[in-house]
Amino acid sequence: KAGVTQTPRYLIKTRGQQVTLSCSPISGHRSVSWYQQTPGQGLQFLFEYFSETQRNKGNFPGRFSGRQFSNSRSEMNVSTLELGDSALYLCASSEGQGQNEQFFGPGTRLTVL
Amino acid sequence: GQNIDQPTEMTATEGAIVQINCTYQTSGFNGLFWYQQHAGEAPTFLSYNVLDGLEEKGRFSSFLSRSKGYSYLLLKELQMKDSASYLCAVRDRDDKIIFGKGTRLHILP
Repeated sequence: KAGVTQTPRYLIKTRGQQVTLSCSPISGHRSVSWYQQTPGQGLQFLFEYFSETQRNKGNFPGRFSGRQFSNSRSEMNVSTLELGDSALYLCASSEGQGQNEQFFGPGTRLTVL
Repeated sequence: GQNIDQPTEMTATEGAIVQINCTYQTSGFNGLFWYQQHAGEAPTFLSYNVLDGLEEKGRFSSFLSRSKGYSYLLLKELQMKDSASYLCAVRDRDDKIIFGKGTRLHILP
C-alpha cells in the first residue's frame, strides 16, 4: 500500500500571497488531519476531516482553511501569507475518526519571504 | 489551557537504557501517543496508552498514570539509529491530538 503523499514538497511564497497544499491519504483511510510544525512550537493541530466534514479545528486564524473530497484527498489553504507561516505542514491519515494510529506524510516545507 | 511537557534534549550511550518523561494537563483524556521523528522525516507511530500501566513492544515500552498525568517512554539496548526526536501527544475529550514539543535524543557510541 502506498503511504500518505503530500504535494508539493517544497514551496516558496511571498507575504500576502495564498497557498494550497494537497494530501492524499493511504488507500481506504477516511480521516485526514493537518499539523503545522515549527522549531519553536513543535507540532500544532490545524484541523481534522472525516468523510468530507471538518471534525475538529485547532487554534489557528481563519486564514487557514481546508477541505476534504469524496475520495478522501484533502487540501489546506492559507491566505494572506505571513512570515510566521513558514513551517513544515504535515498531513496524517487514519482509517476512521478517533483511530489510535495516524500515518504521517513527508510534509510540505513552506517558506514565506 | 492544554499543556504537554517533556525534556528538550537527552543524551545516552549505545547499549544503555533511557527513559523519556512526559507530563500533561489537557481538557479530558482519550489516550496518549508516542511518536519517533528522525531529522527531516515524518513522525512514525510508536505506542498508544489509554489505560494505566506498561505497554511493551520490543525494545520500546510506554507507561501511563492517568491520575498523575504522567507517561514515560523507555528505550532499551539503545542503538545509534535511535537518535531522533520523541514526541508525546494526548488526545483530549474533543478528540484533538495535542503534541508536546518533543525530546531530542542523542546516542553516543
